[in-house]
Amino acid sequence: QSALTQPPSASGSPGQSVTISCTGTSSDVGGYNYVSWYQQHPGKAPKVMIYDVTKRPSGVPDRFSGSKSGNTASLTVSGLQAEDEADYFCCSYAGNNYYVFGTGTKVTVL
Amino acid sequence: QVQLVQSGAEVKKPGSSVRVSCRASGGTFTTSTVTWVRQAPGQAPEWMGRIIPVLGIPNYAPKFQGRLTITADKSTSAAYMELSSLTSQDTAVYYCTRGSGTYSAIWGQGTLVTVSS
Repeated sequence: QSALTQPPSASGSPGQSVTISCTGTSSDVGGYNYVSWYQQHPGKAPKVMIYDVTKRPSGVPDRFSGSKSGNTASLTVSGLQAEDEADYFCCSYAGNNYYVFGTGTKVTVL
Repeated sequence: QVQLVQSGAEVKKPGSSVRVSCRASGGTFTTSTVTWVRQAPGQAPEWMGRIIPVLGIPNYAPKFQGRLTITADKSTSAAYMELSSLTSQDTAVYYCTRGSGTYSAIWGQGTLVTVSS
């Protein structure tokens, strides 16, 4: 099972929006509505920002939103803030009781 | 608020095994799912496997079938991950996580496992 494909980097100025893609296949992203997104700051454990494609856990700002079209899921961060600078990873159910992570995207706030 | 507390860093020889523990502090695992994820230096996380402690049945990523064992003791709210036949490629931070099944809501502090001769 291959990792899901994400762009290595993305950037935006404070207040702007940035969208990160996560491309898989019909056997993972396209086949199930179980995509989650994690934010990771250096030296810290990942933190869930979005689950089940579009759901946001309590405490996560509504600037973070998720969507999916076909075999590609997306995370959009609106109104970029300095603290949003981090690595972001997607994760999808891949059938047969296991999951696969994406390759990761480093978001830079210019 | 439940916290996951993992055992300390390990240094292992190639070919040996490592066992990492994870205990729920301030709560229990109840019917939640405990998932193990590892992250090699500078790399993306890698999903290894999971268990629902109340059921005791593990699931493993195909890559780890045969050398990964995940167990749980619901009476003590502890979970364990044992990886055998270690190589340098297994050097990573290993995380236990707790969630609903489709995502990991709570993460442990991570356990660094270094495999070196």
